[in-house]
Amino acid sequence: GAGVSQSPSNKVTEKGKDVELRCDPISGHTALYWYRQSLGQGLEFLIYFQGNSAPDKSGLPSDRFSAERTGGSVSTLTIQRTQQEDSAVYLCASSLATGANVLTFGAGSRLTVL
Amino acid sequence: SQKIEQNSEALNIQEGKTATLTCNYTNYSPAYLQWYRQDPGRGPVFLLLIRENEKEKRKERLKVTFDTTLKQSLFHITASQPADSATYLCALDMSGGGFKTIFGAGTRLFVKA
Repeated sequence: GAGVSQSPSNKVTEKGKDVELRCDPISGHTALYWYRQSLGQGLEFLIYFQGNSAPDKSGLPSDRFSAERTGGSVSTLTIQRTQQEDSAVYLCASSLATGANVLTFGAGSRLTVL
Repeated sequence: SQKIEQNSEALNIQEGKTATLTCNYTNYSPAYLQWYRQDPGRGPVFLLLIRENEKEKRKERLKVTFDTTLKQSLFHITASQPADSATYLCALDMSGGGFKTIFGAGTRLFVKA
């Protein structure tokens, strides 16, 4: 696609429920990133996929968080047993992973856990 | 581990003045450093990149400097306009040759007419 697409754009869920957030990167981009941005805060790195390499999961805050990237394209971020502190905007970005590695971001998925 | 520090407080300036934003990092010098702009409700958008062997880079009213001795980058907006009001984020790669990218907390800029 022309840009990075994320869905849903807004998600309201109850504490304890599982949620899935989807990211459709730019076609041909080999690197895909997930970040979390709480209200008024900066971007917190969560996970990074690069080609066929094992993902860098060093930023995932707990084992309730997981992500996968199927076929080197679409990625899904799953949060199990959501907590109120999980409320944030989840941003996905993709890049060519060459040279200067400019990231292109989606508009984000706003998650609210009641 | 590498950390990025940006002015946490908002920067308020008058239209027409030059805005200067600071980005400091703590450990190794990255292969390149990037600046992004983020408007409310949107994802960050890439503005400029400067490589470790470059001292200065310009694009229209934007200028970025990179001092590997000070471990600092400065981002300047000259002849600022109210439309420049946004949050500006500094980003860098986590290790030489890799593509894992981390971001600073960002600095909110308000340009008053």
